[in-house]
Amino acid sequence: KQEVTQIPAALSVPEGENLVLNCSFTDSAIYNLQWFRQDPGKGLTSLLLIQSSQREQTSGRLNASLDKSSGRSTLYIAASQPGDSATYLCAVSGSARQLTFGSGTQLTVLP
Amino acid sequence: GAGVSQTPSNKVTEKGKYVELRCDPISGHTALYWYRQSLGQGPEFLIYFQGTGAADDSGLPNDRFFAVRPEGSVSTLKIQRTERGDSAVYLCASSLTRNTGELFFGEGSRLTVL
Repeated sequence: KQEVTQIPAALSVPEGENLVLNCSFTDSAIYNLQWFRQDPGKGLTSLLLIQSSQREQTSGRLNASLDKSSGRSTLYIAASQPGDSATYLCAVSGSARQLTFGSGTQLTVLP
Repeated sequence: GAGVSQTPSNKVTEKGKYVELRCDPISGHTALYWYRQSLGQGPEFLIYFQGTGAADDSGLPNDRFFAVRPEGSVSTLKIQRTERGDSAVYLCASSLTRNTGELFFGEGSRLTVL
């Protein structure tokens, strides 16, 4: 059974800092990996999707990497802003295409 | 509509009652998923539809939970004889096809069972 772990569970940084969120998964036979953002009381917003054949994806200040063999992904956020404060969730998709989620990293960017 | 729409946004019910939660996916999306999210946790898979059929219902916790998608668009998640442990946010997501990969989520229906 696939298990996804996100470390740290919570992170607080001053505005402008670059930061890295970590995600690990136990079964490397994945179809893709997706990073989501969730604001309090809201649904999930897709940030980046990395197919299993890819190593990284970039969107604006966000960069996500994938190392399937080691079962790891990182989400890099450059020049963090208070508006980046949210919970970030990592999810992997297996052969059945259903997503298995981690518990998330709650990020607070202090002005 | 532009995104995945879920109704109601909030539902409070008493233990033992029956509830229905509705999901209207993005137009043209054939794959539809239901997830359940408890406080402080990531969403957990419940059921997946490809078109009208439930292709994978392995995540449904027990036979009190049932979902339908009769015309391949709108889906309804039905919970019978609700229990306090059913309290959670129920999220619906859709994607263009099963193999497209990227899922788009609605804002969820928060269910509270008293």
